[in-house]
Amino acid sequence: SYEVTQPPSVSVSPGQTASITCSGEKLEDKYVCWYMQKSGQSPVLVIYQDTKRPSGIPERFSGSNSGNTATLTISGTQALDEADYYCQAWDSSTGASFGGGTKLTVL
Amino acid sequence: EVQVLESGGGLVQPGGSLRLSCAASGFTFSNYAMSWVRQAPGKGLEWVSAISGGGGGTYYADSVKGRFTISRDNSKNTLYLQMSSLRAEDTAVYYCAKVPSYDYGGNSDHFDYWGQGTLVTVSS
Repeated sequence: SYEVTQPPSVSVSPGQTASITCSGEKLEDKYVCWYMQKSGQSPVLVIYQDTKRPSGIPERFSGSNSGNTATLTISGTQALDEADYYCQAWDSSTGASFGGGTKLTVL
Repeated sequence: EVQVLESGGGLVQPGGSLRLSCAASGFTFSNYAMSWVRQAPGKGLEWVSAISGGGGGTYYADSVKGRFTISRDNSKNTLYLQMSSLRAEDTAVYYCAKVPSYDYGGNSDHFDYWGQGTLVTVSS
């Protein structure tokens, strides 16, 4: 089965840049997407196909994917960005594979 | 506005069965694959199952294969998940999610709209 791994937590100061990583074998050969889930709410898609933003998602959210690591970057982080973030890739043997999630804390 | 609304969750004993439903609106339901994703209390997301727009292709996670059956009724814009032989580890919030393509199983597959979820508790 295919697995992707995320750090459990990331902290950032308001206005600074937050980077959340997602690691997997030859991840650059797959498309990665990212979801934000605020406490008590459903997940929301924030990045798909490595770098694309759905309509309504602020420009401060961006994504990249190279080698074995994909990265979600939040520029000018705001308090309202505090949430759990999940990466997801797709593999023919596993189906959709989610990372364990990263709790972003805005201090 | 795209909306998906799950129902059918509840408390069930181990070994029991339950059927979840997901009513969709705001898009042409038959043109898109749909999926179920679950989240155990305090845990991360786990993909469960998916079905193509026409219903001819179905896909399952190994953890539910042989116990869960996904189906859809395009005339009613409704997705279903029939769950049987339920176990304590199936306890979770079950989300219905839309896939932005007709077929499921492509490298770029993701979920662009999610419902609010329905809680399934398996306990005696």
